[in-house]
Amino acid sequence: ETGVTQTPRHLVMGMTNKKSLKCEQHLGHNAMYWYKQSAKKPLELMFVYNFKEQTENNSVPSRFSPECPNSSHLFLHLHTLQPEDSALYLCASSQPSGGARETQYFGPGTRLLVL
Amino acid sequence: AQSVSQHNHHVILSEAASLELGCNYSYGGTVNLFWYVQYPGQHLQLLLKYFSGDPLVKGIKGFEAEFIKSKFSFNLRKPSVQWSDTAEYFCAVSSGNTGKLIFGQGTTLQVKP
Repeated sequence: ETGVTQTPRHLVMGMTNKKSLKCEQHLGHNAMYWYKQSAKKPLELMFVYNFKEQTENNSVPSRFSPECPNSSHLFLHLHTLQPEDSALYLCASSQPSGGARETQYFGPGTRLLVL
Repeated sequence: AQSVSQHNHHVILSEAASLELGCNYSYGGTVNLFWYVQYPGQHLQLLLKYFSGDPLVKGIKGFEAEFIKSKFSFNLRKPSVQWSDTAEYFCAVSSGNTGKLIFGQGTTLQVKP
């Protein structure tokens, strides 16, 4: 299934590095999401974009900077991360329907390790 | 605040055993309910969803879930599990006017051949 793709699949970075995660959806959706999945914790919603506009920032530290240049692409720019930021970062997309009846489709995630 | 609780964190079953995974949510209004599955090394996939209508929902791979409004529950069931059902299962809820999903902690299911 290639509806939502993410690159890279694995990333190791130092605390002083700058890197970016990329997400692309091929489903014609207009909403995109970033989630963080840490061991033994529920998926945490980080950011939501609807029609390229950020509609939710779930109190995410500024060392995470999202960018949505168009409805098909979503980036997460990373800088000066901490070891506790190591996690699986998931991207998802959905088609906004003016209500809650939306189904989100997920990408495979980027496994991030911060040293 | 809304929350989703999955009571079983780790379940171990033998093949052909019946499965029921619990999911409870805290929200008094209209909700939409989802079960996602994450097989080892794979991405989250939708198993089934409930928006309205028949509270017994059938999904892929023989899974079903029942929405019991009075109990704020959406338990996942399968009459006979297979080794290939080994995965992590997540319950999620959305409500209100947004598609924002609240996830439970997940349940790891291990099926022994």
